[in-house]
Amino acid sequence: ETGVTQSPTHLIKTRGQQVTLRCSPKSGHDTVSWYQQALGQGPQFIFQYYREEENGRGNFPPRFSGLQFPNYSSELNVNALLLGDSALYLCASSSAGTGGADTQYFGPGTRLTVL
Amino acid sequence: GENVEQHPSTLSVQEGDSAVIKCTYSDSASNYFPWYKQELGKRPQLIIDIRSNVGEKKDQRIAVTLNKTAKHFSLHITETQPEDSAVYFCAASIAGNQFYFGTGTSLTVIP
Repeated sequence: ETGVTQSPTHLIKTRGQQVTLRCSPKSGHDTVSWYQQALGQGPQFIFQYYREEENGRGNFPPRFSGLQFPNYSSELNVNALLLGDSALYLCASSSAGTGGADTQYFGPGTRLTVL
Repeated sequence: GENVEQHPSTLSVQEGDSAVIKCTYSDSASNYFPWYKQELGKRPQLIIDIRSNVGEKKDQRIAVTLNKTAKHFSLHITETQPEDSAVYFCAASIAGNQFYFGTGTSLTVIP
């Protein structure tokens, strides 16, 4: 059984560029949530996907968008990157079925640096 | 939206002593409260959680208490060990749809 995986591990972009981050949920999980964690801060909820539908969104602008595929893997897209988007991006997966949608398991994160 | 406050931001204890971290939340609809431990450069790891129909939960040296009326919950670590040193985050959620995290507590256990 594999845990939550994310790619890439690290990424460096310049202001104005676009970035796509990827997440594969834990086996058997159908719900993926994305978080932004700035240095020294707690994770900030971006949005959640449940079976390919957005299931909740935090206080992030529309240039943060996402997608979930039929195999429940997910992408986070960020357009028009700003310096302030530099952070660790975490995804977490859970199951709305057997375990309940609330017990989340985090991936290792993608460290995004915007120059 | 939900607002989660966490205190203290830093905590140092002697090995073997107890550590207590407290969180408050604002939305009475929140019904799930997990605690995560994050070591430097690593992912947050779920260490214990509690749901709103329970007042206390214990797992070996770790316990969590919940006071729904006062909207606060606490993490208790007894007999602390150096490997307990990490950043701890509390979170609140409504049925697992949105999670709101506290700002973290950096715990240092002094051998």
